[in-house]
Amino acid sequence: AQSVTQPDIHITVSEGASLELRCNYSYGATPYLFWYVQSPGQGLQLLLKYFSGDTLVQGIKGFEAEFKRSQSSFNLRKPSVHWSDAAEYFCAVHMNRDDKIIFGKGTRLHILP
Amino acid sequence: DTGVSQDPRHKITKRGQNVTFRCDPISEHNRLYWYRQTLGQGPEFLTYFQNEAQLEKSRLLSDRFSAERPKGSFSTLEIQRTEQGDSAMYLCASSLSGDSYNEQFFGPGTRLTVL
Repeated sequence: AQSVTQPDIHITVSEGASLELRCNYSYGATPYLFWYVQSPGQGLQLLLKYFSGDTLVQGIKGFEAEFKRSQSSFNLRKPSVHWSDAAEYFCAVHMNRDDKIIFGKGTRLHILP
Repeated sequence: DTGVSQDPRHKITKRGQNVTFRCDPISEHNRLYWYRQTLGQGPEFLTYFQNEAQLEKSRLLSDRFSAERPKGSFSTLEIQRTEQGDSAMYLCASSLSGDSYNEQFFGPGTRLTVL
């Protein structure tokens, strides 16, 4: 069965530092890949998605992610975090375009001033 | 249209009571999804509709859960005889099924607390 693994439950970085959140998926083919962000009391917001083509995808809020087929990974990066980036981040996969989304357990990002 | 809305945003109930949540999707979206998110977990799929038809139900959706989308617009999710394990955030999402990929847009969720 397909699954998504986010190995880091919590990550703490200083404001202005770079960030990388890890994500690995398990699926026979390359699914659609996503990163969502969820702030307290808010719904899920799509940061970026990968379907095919260029393996480095740009998203909103200065985030980017790189798809590596050989590692079944889709890690999220940001060169310089802001205090407002503190939130929970979910990696997700989508088998078919209209099917259910399968989420990882999330990584909570804490920002030090 | 400002997006997917859910009502209520919070619900506190006693064990054994029935609760019903409502989701209003983006108006032209024909697909509607329900997910459940427990503390420390990512959202998990419960069920989805295309128009009025309920096309898939997760094994997480026990007999105490029922979802409807009677006119292909808003949807309700009812939980009968609530249990403490039902405490979670219930998320609704909608999308427009078509030839190309269409993003699922999520509502703010309904947080259920069962005492």
